[in-house]
Amino acid sequence: EAQVTQNPRYLITVTGKKLTVTCSQNMNHEYMSWYRQDPGLGLRQIYYSMNVEVTDKGDVPEGYKVSRKEKRNFPLILESPSPNQTSLYFCASSAGLAGVETQYFGPGTRLTVL
Amino acid sequence: AQSVTQLGSHVSVSEGALVLLRCNYSSSVPPYLFWYVQYPNQGLQLLLKYTSAATLVKGINGFEAEFKKSETSFHLTKPSAHMSDAAEYFCAVIDTGGFKTIFGAGTRLFVKA
Repeated sequence: EAQVTQNPRYLITVTGKKLTVTCSQNMNHEYMSWYRQDPGLGLRQIYYSMNVEVTDKGDVPEGYKVSRKEKRNFPLILESPSPNQTSLYFCASSAGLAGVETQYFGPGTRLTVL
Repeated sequence: AQSVTQLGSHVSVSEGALVLLRCNYSSSVPPYLFWYVQYPNQGLQLLLKYTSAATLVKGINGFEAEFKKSETSFHLTKPSAHMSDAAEYFCAVIDTGGFKTIFGAGTRLFVKA
């Protein structure tokens, strides 16, 4: 089954404790992206990747890092989480540019930073 | 920079009534436009997308949207609401470079029996 998986689905952590949210897709997609969803703000793009070793900032990259060492994986790293990063996070992938190809979204990771 | 405005954070309709969710975009050139639906505790699912092939775009679950360049709008409609349509709906546009997706704030649709 074609899918985007994220782990963990739920995470409660404390300020400053490094964490990684994993994202994996099994569709051999080149384009992957991370979003955060906050009430009243919709989804905002954090980072995106056009292919292995090629990443770029979205609209809200501060406090986040990403890497793309393999085509299927695109982890999101919070080196020193803060309470304002409490949010619902989505990973997405598409075969090509998001404007041309359909983006497939993961189920989301709900992160709480205390 | 591109932006998307969804008018109304909440819309309530009766079952069987017309659904109209509004979306306006800011762009000097015809963009790629999308509507996504998010059911509770799930990720986003593509409803439909406009890519300049036709101004009236038909999507899944009986939804459609009409691109109106003169009004910079891409409103989503469905002739007859069903209880299963209750969800949050997001309008989105691709930025000029083609790599970033800009989402609206979302509209939560409530369907009354």
